[in-house]
Amino acid sequence: DTAVSQTPKYLVTQMGNDKSIKCEQNLGHDTMYWYKQDSKKFLKIMFSYNNKELIINETVPNRFSPKSPDKAHLNLHINSLELGDSAVYFCASSSRTHLVGGDTQYFGPGTRLTVL
Amino acid sequence: AQSVTQLDSQVPVFEEAPVELRCNYSSSVSVYLFWYVQYPNQGLQLLLKYLSGSTLVKGINGFEAEFNKSQTSFHLRKPSVHISDTAEYFCAVSDPGGGFKTIFGAGTRLFVKA
Repeated sequence: DTAVSQTPKYLVTQMGNDKSIKCEQNLGHDTMYWYKQDSKKFLKIMFSYNNKELIINETVPNRFSPKSPDKAHLNLHINSLELGDSAVYFCASSSRTHLVGGDTQYFGPGTRLTVL
Repeated sequence: AQSVTQLDSQVPVFEEAPVELRCNYSSSVSVYLFWYVQYPNQGLQLLLKYLSGSTLVKGINGFEAEFNKSQTSFHLRKPSVHISDTAEYFCAVSDPGGGFKTIFGAGTRLFVKA
């Protein structure tokens, strides 16, 4: 069973379009994250939800809107896509309630977004 | 504010040679420290972590790291690398007091040559 899954794995679209990426975790974790990894492999946190509540919202354009319908899902919707949005987007989850694990994060396989 | 510096962007090494990937952090509070590995076209996975206790931490695939509080370092080592260790390695720090944010370093590309 895949612990953290993302769909789609690849997304190629035109500038100006709107697209969504979905993430699901079956680990029973209470916290989920979206990260953006650029072409130089730099990993930057975008958002985090804890028990469906937004707790981290970095300086991300408001074209990006996360939604967490329940603790196991965190989706990312992007409006009016721009060339600079091309990157790999990773979803991750962790358990903050039980910090015995030290907030180890479990990552999905990534979604490679290409904006043409 | 916390920060993580990985001192080498790329480390080429021959197979079966030892390797050290360097990581320094800055924080005004105690921290949790992590090393993650990212194989090509995959997500990150945990190699090892330091929460408390023994400063020498052993992880998967023969890797280990040593926490040095006075030097604020958490260097990753392996005595003998394999071709399959070729990957991107990320050092990360989080605040056990809360904040829900883990800060990742810029990554070190380990390239193992035959």
